[in-house]
Amino acid sequence: DTAVSQTPKYLVTQMGNDKSIKCEQNLGHDTMYWYKQDSKKFLKIMFSYNNKELIINETVPNRFSPKSPDKAHLNLHINSLELGDSAVYFCASSWGVADTQYFGPGTRLTVL
Amino acid sequence: DAKTTQPTSMDCAEGRAANLPCNHSTISGNEYVYWYRQIHSQGPQYIIHGLKNNETNEMASLIITEDRKSSTLILPHATLRDTAVYYCIVRVTANNNDMRFGAGTRLTVKP
Repeated sequence: DTAVSQTPKYLVTQMGNDKSIKCEQNLGHDTMYWYKQDSKKFLKIMFSYNNKELIINETVPNRFSPKSPDKAHLNLHINSLELGDSAVYFCASSWGVADTQYFGPGTRLTVL
Repeated sequence: DAKTTQPTSMDCAEGRAANLPCNHSTISGNEYVYWYRQIHSQGPQYIIHGLKNNETNEMASLIITEDRKSSTLILPHATLRDTAVYYCIVRVTANNNDMRFGAGTRLTVKP
C-alpha cells in the first residue's frame, strides 16, 4: 500500500550511459515532482508536473528529461550520465500545486 | 536559497519534549511554515504546517510567534525513532509548489 514508490532503489552505472528512474503514486494526486539530494545533503527541486504538464523546470541540464505517461507516473530519464549526477533522487506528489508534498523512498544513483 | 535559519544540531533525551526552533524573519504574510523530517536513508516525511495559528497533530505541535518571524516544532515525547534531520520551510502555497529545503537541524534522541 506504498503511497509514492520509486524503482530502482539503487542504480550503479558507468559514465556516458543512459538510465531511467520510475516513480508511481497511488494517492490520486495531480502533481508530481523530482528532487535531487547531493552529497552535502541539500535537497533541491528539479521538475514539477501538474496533470502531465511541466510547470517547474529549474536549471537542470537538458540531459535530464521527465516523462509523465499519466498523472500517477513521473519517470526521470537521464542521458549521457556524468560523475556529478551521482546523488539520491526523490519523487514526490501532492494534490495540487499548493498542497502538501509526500515523498518517495529515493533512488541512490552512483555514476562510476 | 532557504529563507529560514535553524541550528545545525540538537540533542534530546528519550521521553522528553524536543523543541526545534526556526527563524524566518523575512516571512511574507501569505507564506506558510512547513516542517518535514528526513530519517537516515529515507525520503522526507511531512510533519505539520501552519500560517499564523498554532497547530497540533498526532506527530507534533507547531508554535508560531505573533510576529511570525520564528516558530518552534515540538515533539512532545521524543523517541529514538525521532532521530532525524528536521527541515523548516516557508512557502507561498497559492499557485506555487516550490519548496526550498535548507540544511535543517540534525536531532539526536539519546537513551
